[in-house]
Amino acid sequence: DADVTQTPRNRITKTGKRIMLECSQTKGHDRMYWYRQDPGLGLRLIYYSFDVKDINKGEISDGYSVSRQAQAKFSLSLESAIPNQTALYFCATSDPSGGENQPQHFGDGTRLSIL
Amino acid sequence: QKEVEQDPGPLSVPEGAIVSLNCTYSNSAFQYFMWYRQYSRKGPELLMYTYSSGNKEDGRFTAQVDKSSKYISLFIRDSQPSDSATYLCAMKGFNKFYFGSGTKLNVKP
Repeated sequence: DADVTQTPRNRITKTGKRIMLECSQTKGHDRMYWYRQDPGLGLRLIYYSFDVKDINKGEISDGYSVSRQAQAKFSLSLESAIPNQTALYFCATSDPSGGENQPQHFGDGTRLSIL
Repeated sequence: QKEVEQDPGPLSVPEGAIVSLNCTYSNSAFQYFMWYRQYSRKGPELLMYTYSSGNKEDGRFTAQVDKSSKYISLFIRDSQPSDSATYLCAMKGFNKFYFGSGTKLNVKP
């Protein structure tokens, strides 16, 4: 089983719809992240959370919101989807207990298309 | 200017070739460097990470960091078709990771 699980894997929806992408992890890591990946632009950070009570904006948070329901669960919402939010979305985790510079571990992504 | 620059490729090589993948960066405060491999329709998978200048080897993979030139490399020896993927470099700044846009590698049988 995957350590970082994202659902759904694929989603097609219409402009204006509300969408929630979910991420759950079995790694026991405190830190969780949401990225989007676009061709030529690489991975861009949307939101991150260092523990259940900590939520921080990344570089492209406008149009998105998140919820950290538990240590293992971190959801990303698009309140009113627009076509330029069509992208590949990744959830990642990291464990600071081994030091601040521990690497991130990624899920397999959600491919989101907004028509 | 982007924090991290990476040639998108694609890079096409014959099986058995030595592959060199590279990234440059602009922030001298970066101290921690990573390489990820991403197969189509999968998430990035951590290959290697290193804190310091110099070389780090793991099987067929060698990561090289030159902090004076702000330049990192990943070498793949005896490349295999299964190495065909997109390779992302990444660096750690204060509370944040910075990623290159990825180089697509194709190893031909």
